[in-house]
Amino acid sequence: GENVEQHPSTLSVQEGDSAVIKCTYSDSASNYFPWYKQELGKRPQLIIDIRSNVGEKKDQRIAVTLNKTAKHFSLHITETQPEDSAVYFCAATDYKLSFGAGTTVTVRA
Amino acid sequence: DTAVSQTPKYLVTQMGNDKSIKCEQNLGHDTMYWYKQDSKKFLKIMFSYNNKELIINETVPNRFSPKSPDKAHLNLHINSLELGDSAVYFCASSGHGSSYEQYFGPGTRLTVT
Repeated sequence: GENVEQHPSTLSVQEGDSAVIKCTYSDSASNYFPWYKQELGKRPQLIIDIRSNVGEKKDQRIAVTLNKTAKHFSLHITETQPEDSAVYFCAATDYKLSFGAGTTVTVRA
Repeated sequence: DTAVSQTPKYLVTQMGNDKSIKCEQNLGHDTMYWYKQDSKKFLKIMFSYNNKELIINETVPNRFSPKSPDKAHLNLHINSLELGDSAVYFCASSGHGSSYEQYFGPGTRLTVT
């Protein structure tokens, strides 16, 4: 089955700086890579996703890149704001969604 | 208005008891899921149903029994609760299976004492 590894487990950044979270996956059949944000006590919510036929996708301050050869994908958040503080999960799917262990992002004002 | 709803939001019970969690979605989705999020925040799929049929069952103890009376509802019944069952359980739904956005419910925090 799919195994998704996520790094770092915690990330503290100064407001306005960039944050990068990296994930690797094991199953070359995986074709969909979403990123979810979970605020404290809330449900996970999709913030961006990418499919295996695309190398990069951007949505305002958030971007995701995918390297299928290396089985890596990354989340980039630019100009971080206090409301970006949350736990971020990467995931990969072949027939079921497998999540990384999460990254707790803290944006310092 | 709520897309995916779950009841109850909190559940505190003693070891050995049986409890149920209910989930409903009004998005018209065909696929529904149960996830378990443990104390370390790790999210793991337990079950998935597509149009009332079980399609994923992830090595979950058979004390856990999902039931889908129709494609808008997916319930989770847990028998003989154990301390290790304490977690947040999330229901989710998606339109066309795992390769599309999943919408999560608000979660049910289960505490077994």
